[in-house]
Amino acid sequence: AQSVTQLDSHVSVSEGTPVLLRCNYSSSYSPSLFWYVQHPNKGLQLLLKYTSAATLVKGINGFEAEFKKSETSFHLTKPSAHMSDAAEYFCVVSRRGSTLGRLYFGRGTQLTVWP
Amino acid sequence: SQTIHQWPATLVQPVGSPLSLECTVEGTSNPNLYWYRQAAGRGLQLLFYSVGIGQISSEVPQNLSASRPQDRQFILSSKKLLLSDSGFYLCAWSLTGGISGNTIYFGEGSWLTVV
Repeated sequence: AQSVTQLDSHVSVSEGTPVLLRCNYSSSYSPSLFWYVQHPNKGLQLLLKYTSAATLVKGINGFEAEFKKSETSFHLTKPSAHMSDAAEYFCVVSRRGSTLGRLYFGRGTQLTVWP
Repeated sequence: SQTIHQWPATLVQPVGSPLSLECTVEGTSNPNLYWYRQAAGRGLQLLFYSVGIGQISSEVPQNLSASRPQDRQFILSSKKLLLSDSGFYLCAWSLTGGISGNTIYFGEGSWLTVV
């Protein structure tokens, strides 16, 4: 069985300060892990993904995430928040190597960035 | 490069009326196709997925149906809409074979309001 827990439903930061969005996963198999971002009334855009290579994954817009197997975590970080980062973020897990991309979504974290 | 198109972007329909949301993918062949629903304040729920023409799997019992008449076309339908069908519907695709780590790419979404 696979599941994802996003530990914070809302995160607020000031522009220019670091961002941390937390995600823990549970998987009976070797997982693939993803972060997606959703701006209001838009589809989901892939930020980054971990499959089986380096545990520190760099994505678009300055975001990165670190896969920590011992902690079953895949937290998303960014050194300096920008106003345009305000959006909802989803942590997602799937079974690595599965021919069907069945995804298991977290419930999302709404990021607010204050000027 | 691959692109996904989904329409209409917004739709207001009365209870009991039919529904048709369409989705097409360009730039790839034999993709896995998905329909997700995102209700207000909730995560994404997988409604249907398809691994090939005419092959549809339903994840949850509901008032909706899906069809795949062509390789890169996926249609979400209903004969009679319910109020509870309101939500944000997202079409998505992925490559088969799991080589990409099961990355799923989303369309821009369709807002359905049933009144």
